[in-house]
Amino acid sequence: AQRVTQPEKLLSVFKGAPVELKCNYSYSGSPELFWYVQYSRQRLQLLLRHISRESIKGFTADLNKGETSFHLKKPFAQEEDSAMYYCALILSNTDKLIFGTGTRLQVFP
Amino acid sequence: DVKVTQSSRYLVKRTGEKVFLECVQDMDHENMFWYRQDPGLGLRLIYFSYDVKMKEKGDIPEGYSVSREKKERFSLILESASTNQTSMYLCASSLWDRKLFFGSGTQLSVL
Repeated sequence: AQRVTQPEKLLSVFKGAPVELKCNYSYSGSPELFWYVQYSRQRLQLLLRHISRESIKGFTADLNKGETSFHLKKPFAQEEDSAMYYCALILSNTDKLIFGTGTRLQVFP
Repeated sequence: DVKVTQSSRYLVKRTGEKVFLECVQDMDHENMFWYRQDPGLGLRLIYFSYDVKMKEKGDIPEGYSVSREKKERFSLILESASTNQTSMYLCASSLWDRKLFFGSGTQLSVL
């Protein structure tokens, strides 16, 4: 069955420390993966998608098909990165987006 | 600017009531979605629609139905509300590029 796993419910780091939010997926087809972010009192919004291979707000994510992972990384965390992060998978030939359970990132000053 | 509007931010209903959650988008998007967001469970897809009058079940459709009579409007209906349907409900829309735009959510409490 298709599944997105985010093993950490909470990740706490200090400002300036590196951050890695883990995401693993289970899918037999060709995966298309996303990271969505929800800042306090704001709407859920797209952060980045693997097909774009871009860096947004200093975050990057690389699809590793061998390890079925799409971890989100940032070399130096900022306080404004504190938010809820969701990894998501689109099933091929559909527009159905499956989300993980989310990881709350707390960045302390 | 892209906009997905959910009619109510907070809603309190009683068990057994019929509940309508409304969502309107102004972007001419084909696809619209209803998710519920629960702590520790993430976002779970209830229903989605890829065209007017077209709908497909998501992962947790039981106890819900939807209506899409016009392209811009997608309604979620709780036929007979129950306490386990207390949750944050999120509506979203997207184009063919599958980038989802979300509404601000409706926090529904069923007493």
